[in-house]
Amino acid sequence: EAGVAQSPRYKIIEKRQSVAFWCNPISGHATLYWYQQILGQGPKLLIQFQNNGVVDDSQLPKDRFSAERLKGVDSTLKIQPAKLEDSAVYLCASSYRLAGGQHPEQFFGPGTRLTVL
Amino acid sequence: LAKTTQPISMDSYEGQEVNITCSHNNIATNDYITWYQQFPSQGPRFIIQGYKTKVTNEVASLFIPADRKSSTLSLPRVSLSDTAVYYCLVGDSWQAGTALIFGKGTTLSVSS
Repeated sequence: EAGVAQSPRYKIIEKRQSVAFWCNPISGHATLYWYQQILGQGPKLLIQFQNNGVVDDSQLPKDRFSAERLKGVDSTLKIQPAKLEDSAVYLCASSYRLAGGQHPEQFFGPGTRLTVL
Repeated sequence: LAKTTQPISMDSYEGQEVNITCSHNNIATNDYITWYQQFPSQGPRFIIQGYKTKVTNEVASLFIPADRKSSTLSLPRVSLSDTAVYYCLVGDSWQAGTALIFGKGTTLSVSS
C-alpha cells in the first residue's frame, strides 16, 4: 500500500512570496489533515477535510493560508504572503472514517520543510 | 479537549523496559487515549490506542487505570532505534469535529 505523498520535500522562499504544497493521501482515505510543525514542538492541526468538505479549520490563519481538496482526493495548501514565522515542516496525513468513538489511525507523509528568509 | 501532561525527556539503555506516563486529569467519558511516535525528519506514526484497562500490540502496551486520569505507554526491551519523540493524545470521536491535539511530547533517548 502506497503511503501519503507530499511535494516538494523542501522549499526556500523570501518573505512575502507565495508557496504551495501538494498532498496525495492513501487511496480510499476519506479524511485528510494538514499540520504545521515548528521545530521543537508537536504538530499543530491547520485544517481537516472529510472528502472535499472542511471539518475543522479553526487554527488556519485564513488571512494568508488557504487549502482545498478538489474531488475529495489530492489537496493543496497555500501560503500567500509568507512570513518568517511560517518556517516549519508542513505535514499531511490521511485516515479512514470510523463509525465508532475511536480516533482513526492517521498516516503521515514525509512533510515539506519550508524556510522563509 | 482533555489536556495532557507528560515528561519532556527520558533516558534509557538498550534492553530495558521504558514506561512513559501521561496525565490527563480532565479526560471525558467518550475520550480515547492515543500514542504516536515521531522520528527526526519523519511524520508521526501511530503506536497504540485504548479506552480502559490494558491494550497490547506487537510494538507496545498501554495501561489505563480505572479512573482513566493517566495512562502509561510501555515499550519492552528498547533498542537504539526506539529513540524518538512520543506523543500522548486524548480526545473523543473525530465525528464531533474535534481533532487530536499534539503537545510537545516526550523525547526518549536510548543509549547502548
